[in-house]
Amino acid sequence: DAMVIQNPRYQVTQFGKPVTLSCSQTLNHNVMYWYQQKSSQAPKLLFHYYDKDFNNEADTPDNFQSRRPNTSFCFLDIRSPGLGDAAMYLCATSTSGVSTDTQYFGPGTRLTVL
Amino acid sequence: EDQVTQSPEALRLQEGESSSLNCSYTVSGLRGLFWYRQDPGKGPEFLFTLYSAGEEKEKERLKATLTKKESFLHITAPKPEDSATYLCAVQARTGGFKTIFGAGTRLFVKA
Repeated sequence: DAMVIQNPRYQVTQFGKPVTLSCSQTLNHNVMYWYQQKSSQAPKLLFHYYDKDFNNEADTPDNFQSRRPNTSFCFLDIRSPGLGDAAMYLCATSTSGVSTDTQYFGPGTRLTVL
Repeated sequence: EDQVTQSPEALRLQEGESSSLNCSYTVSGLRGLFWYRQDPGKGPEFLFTLYSAGEEKEKERLKATLTKKESFLHITAPKPEDSATYLCAVQARTGGFKTIFGAGTRLFVKA
């Protein structure tokens, strides 16, 4: 089945220690997104790629970076995690078109910062 | 500023007790409104997309409707397996790919 895969599902890191989360997709969608979701809150868009074009949200901290080496893979790098970065990180994909872009989500990576 | 507000924050129903969830939105030209279901510790699962006022879509016990200011997710004769958080999201015509989510309604259905 076509899907969005996130690894790892659970990640524990230490305060200030860099961490990388990965996302892969078999849907062949050209748009990939990273969201941060804290407990009982709305998913918050961090950035997205439209093909290779990177689009950063204005309020996304510089601590968060992303890479998309090819259509199928996208990475979220947190350079120096703080306690406030503990959250669920969701990857989503969509295919651009003339109508709206329904997004399909992966299962998420739960990040714990000690 | 584009925003989405969902109510109630939490809803407790008995099995078979029909109800509705509300999503109020403010957006500069609606491109589309989405409903997702999210189970604890999992990613959101797509349910519906609505494009214009008056549109309705159904799936099993769920029916989504749209007006110019809000959307409703009607749940008919819910079952315990319908327990989840239901998220509403919007895209604006001028917002590119940006999708703005509401905080969700947590639904609990008791047998």
